[in-house]
Amino acid sequence: AQSVTQPDIHITVSEGASLELRCNYSYGATPYLFWYVQSPGQGLQLLLKYFSGDTLVQGIKGFEAEFKRSQSSFNLRKPSVHWSDAAEYFCAVGDNAGNMLTFGGGTRLMVKP
Amino acid sequence: GAVVSQHPSWVICKSGTSVKIECRSLDFQATTMFWYRQFPKQSLMLMATSNEGSKATYEQGVEKDKFLINHASLTLSTLTVTSAHPEDSSFYICSARFSGGAGEQFFGPGTRLTVL
Repeated sequence: AQSVTQPDIHITVSEGASLELRCNYSYGATPYLFWYVQSPGQGLQLLLKYFSGDTLVQGIKGFEAEFKRSQSSFNLRKPSVHWSDAAEYFCAVGDNAGNMLTFGGGTRLMVKP
Repeated sequence: GAVVSQHPSWVICKSGTSVKIECRSLDFQATTMFWYRQFPKQSLMLMATSNEGSKATYEQGVEKDKFLINHASLTLSTLTVTSAHPEDSSFYICSARFSGGAGEQFFGPGTRLTVL
């Protein structure tokens, strides 16, 4: 069975500081990996995705993620956080048909001024 | 492109009544739509997979007679919560996948259901 673990439930960073959100997955085949962001009371917005190829993936809003197969990880990074980045972030893994999307528990990001 | 809408965005109903939530793909055809449930401060849990023209596939533990799903067209899926009770109060989110597409689901904005 596939699973996703986001070890950090809450993270607080200062505005302008760098950010890394951790994601570890368990999947039997080649994973399709995603990072979504959710603002309070809103749906999910896709930040970036990894299907194949270059293991460093660039996304929207200045985010990037690196797929490391040996560590079963897909950590999300941003070099300089903005106050508007405060939200809930979800890592997810799916199959190549777009089905069976499994989400991690989420990481709530708070940004200090 | 790839916009998914939900209606209503929020609904309050009395216990025992039924509530219908619509999920529409606005600018693409979606053979498959998905319904998720999200409790406060928790992650999304897949409830069911809805395929156009066929019966939905429900995840283990989800009552199919309580959560009726209809996917009558390539752009519309509906979730009806029948005989709603306070424990059904939650945030319901749908997503849609391109017909013939691979990998990515596009999410709607969600519907907040409160059952009194």
